[in-house]
Amino acid sequence: DQQVKQNSPSLSVQEGRISILNCDYTNSMFDYFLWYKKYPAEGPTFLISISSIKDKNEDGRFTVFLNKSAKHLSLHIVPSQPGDSAVYFCAASDPGGGADGLTFGKGTHLIIQP
Amino acid sequence: KAGVTQTPRYLIKTRGQQVTLSCSPISGHRSVSWYQQTPGQGLQFLFEYFSETQRNKGNFPGRFSGRQFSNSRSEMNVSTLELGDSALYLCASSLAHTNNEQFFGPGTRLTVL
Repeated sequence: DQQVKQNSPSLSVQEGRISILNCDYTNSMFDYFLWYKKYPAEGPTFLISISSIKDKNEDGRFTVFLNKSAKHLSLHIVPSQPGDSAVYFCAASDPGGGADGLTFGKGTHLIIQP
Repeated sequence: KAGVTQTPRYLIKTRGQQVTLSCSPISGHRSVSWYQQTPGQGLQFLFEYFSETQRNKGNFPGRFSGRQFSNSRSEMNVSTLELGDSALYLCASSLAHTNNEQFFGPGTRLTVL
């Protein structure tokens, strides 16, 4: 049973426009969420995180929104740049660290077109 | 500050063999987690070590094991390799807990023939 779902395997966005990556989760115990970015042949790098006590966290061009009632979070990138082309993973954790460490979605491949 | 390092970067083994992968966390980080990444399953949590003790374990068979040394370096071992074990194995370190920001290494690409 997949507890963190990224339903779009890929997303293509024009340079300069907004990229919106979505993530849904099923475990109501999750209270901390992270986004990672991964280039080919490299490990994931941390991008931005949000605690469940917030509904928005912003860092430069990146904003993460959390809707707890819908168990949904999204990552907004604006404006999108060519260097943003990568695979983006959504991850979640429950308060005690849980038995599963971080639970990751399967990733969304973002392609920024010039 | 040096990042997380993993050795080797690439490895080719045959079915039935065993393999040991190594991870050196960022200096000062005491938590090391291991993940398996495959195209079909994404990133899946294997286990987490903290202060030489396994603190959390994912849903993998007992062929997958690990350990952590007093300097926080960690190794993972896979015995009796199967074709399906071919994957990218990623190590991540954090200060104390997986809730903290985790820093990933570049991974070890394991191919089982």
